[in-house]
Amino acid sequence: DAKTTQPTSMDCAEGRAANLPCNHSTISGNEYVYWYRQIHSQGPQYIIHGLKNNETNEMASLIITEDRKSSTLILPHATLRDTAVYYCIVRVGNTDKLIFGTGTRLQVFP
Amino acid sequence: GAVVSQHPSWVICKSGTSVKIECRSLDFQATTMFWYRQFPKQSLMLMATSNEGSKATYEQGVEKDKFLINHASLTLSTLTVTSAHPEDSSFYICSARARTSGKEQFFGPGTRLTVL
Repeated sequence: DAKTTQPTSMDCAEGRAANLPCNHSTISGNEYVYWYRQIHSQGPQYIIHGLKNNETNEMASLIITEDRKSSTLILPHATLRDTAVYYCIVRVGNTDKLIFGTGTRLQVFP
Repeated sequence: GAVVSQHPSWVICKSGTSVKIECRSLDFQATTMFWYRQFPKQSLMLMATSNEGSKATYEQGVEKDKFLINHASLTLSTLTVTSAHPEDSSFYICSARARTSGKEQFFGPGTRLTVL
């Protein structure tokens, strides 16, 4: 079973920041948090991952709370092409397995 | 870099036939590949983990004799759906973890299987 819970859907205005929350209250100390997104009928696209420090790359920022029980993915300037299902995933222990939850459907509107 | 391809992108077959789906890492070597299945409006479900040169590890509830996985080289894994039936119709997606990369997996574009 997935170890994460996310809102089912969110809306965001184009050009604004999209903040996608994720709860992972049962995360273990060595488990990473990953974010992927899936545009309709395509394979998931890697966005970012982190263990306990905040991370930033060219796509997004990942903010992980100090107790690591939740995190937020931030798309700083959402565009229409960011409309997708966003998955927050906790990698299983020391394995490479990613167990997908239901994700958040982000709709960016003009 | 880090491109994963799948072939075919879609396939339609008759019930009872077998279908092979290929997953290739194009610009990196993948010691581990994963196979997922996704039904309409649902999330991805991990089917199996494929390690180069060894037997695949299947998730609970996935029939290993029905979904044959071969990972013969560091750039190729294949999934064969044997004796396919309409309930096997789904979107099959593979992912690969690079031998020398960090922790991220890279996903293929998926293969849509329709069994008539």
